[in-house]
Amino acid sequence: ETGVTQTPRHLVMGMTNKKSLKCEQHLGHNAMYWYKQSAKKPLELMFVYSLEERVENNSVPSRFSPECPNSSHLFLHLHTLQPEDSALYLCASSPGDSNYGYTFGSGTRLTVV
Amino acid sequence: AQKITQTQPGMFVQEKEAVTLDCTYDTSDQSYGLFWYKQPSSGEMIFLIYQGSYDEQNATEGRYSLNFQKARKSANLVISASQLGDSAMYFCANSLRGGYNKLIFGAGTRLAVHP
Repeated sequence: ETGVTQTPRHLVMGMTNKKSLKCEQHLGHNAMYWYKQSAKKPLELMFVYSLEERVENNSVPSRFSPECPNSSHLFLHLHTLQPEDSALYLCASSPGDSNYGYTFGSGTRLTVV
Repeated sequence: AQKITQTQPGMFVQEKEAVTLDCTYDTSDQSYGLFWYKQPSSGEMIFLIYQGSYDEQNATEGRYSLNFQKARKSANLVISASQLGDSAMYFCANSLRGGYNKLIFGAGTRLAVHP
């Protein structure tokens, strides 16, 4: 079990559904991240939260909506997704301005049908 | 813009042999960090090793070592005495400094260890 927990591990959803991905960390980190990993592509940074404030949004379509209610929890709300949104969604946390990298969760493998 | 290049889409190595995975980076920052992560088929990203730009010695962590050549902007990962469990994707990453820690990843190298 890692220090970052993501649920669910797998998710299949239709294009008209609304679902949410959850990420939780109790490492005392103050920055949290959402990455998308598609087949044969580098990891793409989607959103960054630092001290519960969104500090980066890398041109992500509005059908992805992040939420960070406190420093331990991060959500990614999904609605009206497209099949090309099928990917592994990875959450990570870090101590912030640090050179000690991230702690990743195990990811949610999303399939949009 | 920051860029990480991993030129080897796939590598294979015989069990118990050493293997080097290449990584070059492009940054104008003077202070930065370089990381290697392992991703097995389960999907989790596992931190392996870190090198700071001002570190004079190459980082080592058990069977992992980082061959850091600052002038060439390369940060190759060396895995010694390969094991079957080392078969996975390996990602090189570069940190950007700022108010928070932001990592930019390369495309990855798939390593297969053969018995």
